[in-house]
Amino acid sequence: DPKIIQKPKYLVAVTGSEKILICEQYLGHNAMYWYRQSAKKPLEFMFSYSYQKLMDNQTASSRFQPQSSKKNHLDLQITALKPDDSATYFCASSQETGGTYEQYFGPGTRLTVL
Amino acid sequence: GDSVTQTEGLVTLTEGLPVMLNCTYQTIYSNPFLFWYVQHLNESPRLLLKSFTDNKRTEHQGFHATLHKSSSSFHLQKSSAQLSDSALYYCALSGNQGGSAKLIFGEGTKLTVSS
Repeated sequence: DPKIIQKPKYLVAVTGSEKILICEQYLGHNAMYWYRQSAKKPLEFMFSYSYQKLMDNQTASSRFQPQSSKKNHLDLQITALKPDDSATYFCASSQETGGTYEQYFGPGTRLTVL
Repeated sequence: GDSVTQTEGLVTLTEGLPVMLNCTYQTIYSNPFLFWYVQHLNESPRLLLKSFTDNKRTEHQGFHATLHKSSSSFHLQKSSAQLSDSALYYCALSGNQGGSAKLIFGEGTKLTVSS
């Protein structure tokens, strides 16, 4: 069974619309992250959460808003979508305490903005 | 700020030849964690190696790397490339020892192994 679930796997959106990317992890981890990978840039850190609290935000745009409704959930809401937002978005998780801090990645959501 | 440099964007090898992918880093932290992730086509990144101990060799699945703080390097090596090693390899740095610390990735090296 997959330990990190991301939904949907593929997403097509029109410019200006809003989408939510879902991430759930069943590894018992207490830290979760979002990364983005596009043709223009390699893996790029966006957000980190620890115990459902925002720890770090490297995303300049407020159009990207993480949401943590449960301790093993970290969704990503993207508003006013632009073609440049087209990328694969990976959710990751790690164990903050007592671990070696290695991060495990979900399968990704491939977003295409037309 | 922290950064990771992978000098080779593309490496093409014949099966059986040794692999060496370069990784150097810059960080303000004295005890960084270094990682190698591998990403096969249409898959997500998967951890291959990790280290935070200076001058200690770490090995996994035939690959090995040694963290050298004196030269800020963490090069990935393998004695004999296999066709299945063809993938994108990322070197990554975590400067903060907290578990919620971000990973800073290099640009990645695409390794293509042919027969």
